[in-house]
Amino acid sequence: GQQLNQSPQSMFIQEGEDVSMNCTSSSIFNTWLWYKQDPGEGPVLLIALYKAGELTSNGRLTAQFGITRKDSFLNISASIPSDVGIYFCAGQLRETSGSRLTFGEGTQLTVNP
Amino acid sequence: NAGVMQNPRHLVRRRGQEARLRCSPMKGHSHVYWYRQLPEEGLKFMVYLQKENIIDESGMPKERFSAEFPKEGPSILRIQQVVRGDSAAYFCASSPNLGVWGTGELFFGEGSRLTVL
Repeated sequence: GQQLNQSPQSMFIQEGEDVSMNCTSSSIFNTWLWYKQDPGEGPVLLIALYKAGELTSNGRLTAQFGITRKDSFLNISASIPSDVGIYFCAGQLRETSGSRLTFGEGTQLTVNP
Repeated sequence: NAGVMQNPRHLVRRRGQEARLRCSPMKGHSHVYWYRQLPEEGLKFMVYLQKENIIDESGMPKERFSAEFPKEGPSILRIQQVVRGDSAAYFCASSPNLGVWGTGELFFGEGSRLTVL
């Protein structure tokens, strides 16, 4: 089946720094999604990408859908303490898997004030 | 507009008992998905349902696990004769009805955390 490699596994940064994380896949997707999960909560959708090459922003967050359709990255600028959490990428290939999402293993972000 | 509602939030069962997890999708959503998350891991797909139909159950264990989404009422994930390895967080997600495959955007509930003693 499809597998997503998400990196880094964890990050420890200072407040105000920029952050970058990425996902790569062994096969193509036609949708990439980025979610954030706080402890004890469900994942919350941050950004959805539907087109290869697409670059989308949501406040301090920017994500791109790789041109090969096999990768995506998420950037967070000027990090703040409430950015702490686990960030997951998820890919979807509707032709074969319908609406099913394949998730990466997550990037644990820690922001030191 | 209420989000995806799951209950119970926490459930403790002894080995061999049954666990029933319930999920009410967001208003206007008719597609429901169940995912399982082990500690410090990503979410793993289990099953995708529309009203009264199982569309994709390729991620569901063949035995002891079943899911339904009746015409009326919430979706139910049922685990019979639970074992310790079933301990996990079970998340439900929903998406709007936009064609056969819905949309890419899934909205998740808060999860149900099952502990098997």
